[in-house]
Amino acid sequence: GENVEQHPSTLSVQEGDSAVIKCTYSDSASNYFPWYKQELGKRPQLIIDIRSNVGEKKDQRIAVTLNKTAKHFSLHITETQPEDSAVYFCAAITSGSARQLTFGSGTQLTVLP
Amino acid sequence: GAVVSQHPSRVICKSGTSVKIECRSLDFQATTMFWYRQFPKKSLMLMATSNEGSKATYEQGVEKDKFLINHASLTLSTLTVTSAHPEDSSFYICSAREPGRNTEAFFGQGTRFTVV
Repeated sequence: GENVEQHPSTLSVQEGDSAVIKCTYSDSASNYFPWYKQELGKRPQLIIDIRSNVGEKKDQRIAVTLNKTAKHFSLHITETQPEDSAVYFCAAITSGSARQLTFGSGTQLTVLP
Repeated sequence: GAVVSQHPSRVICKSGTSVKIECRSLDFQATTMFWYRQFPKKSLMLMATSNEGSKATYEQGVEKDKFLINHASLTLSTLTVTSAHPEDSSFYICSAREPGRNTEAFFGQGTRFTVV
């Protein structure tokens, strides 16, 4: 099955700096890669996603890049703000009839004011 | 986006009792829902895939007799934790996907489940 690895596990940045979180996946048939933001005790919220036919996608301060050959994708947050502090999960859709999500291990992002 | 509602948000129960958690898709019909378990500071681990009108598909290592899943309608899936034990304490969260979309998933609010 699919295996998704995520790094780093924790990341601290100064307000205004950029943050980058990286993930790798194992199943070359995976074709959808969402990123979720989860605040403590809350549900994961989709913040951006990318499909395998696209190399980069941007939404205001958030961007995601995908390298299909290397099987890795990254989340980029620019001009970070304290409210960006949360746990971020990458995920990949596995192949198969149910197409369930396989999550990375998560990154605790702390934006220091 | 689509709305998924999970209830209760928090439950405390005694060892040996059974508790049911509900997951509802409020504005769409979901033929497939997913149940996850999340330990503190850990990732979401898929427990089972709930299929409307048929048996759930459990992930390896998940006891199907302990975690009973029923998906009797297109808008409701339930997870019943039977004979609860303190090690069952966790954050349980469901998700559902809109029909015709096999990508984005919407999550319920989650249930903080504590067994004392």
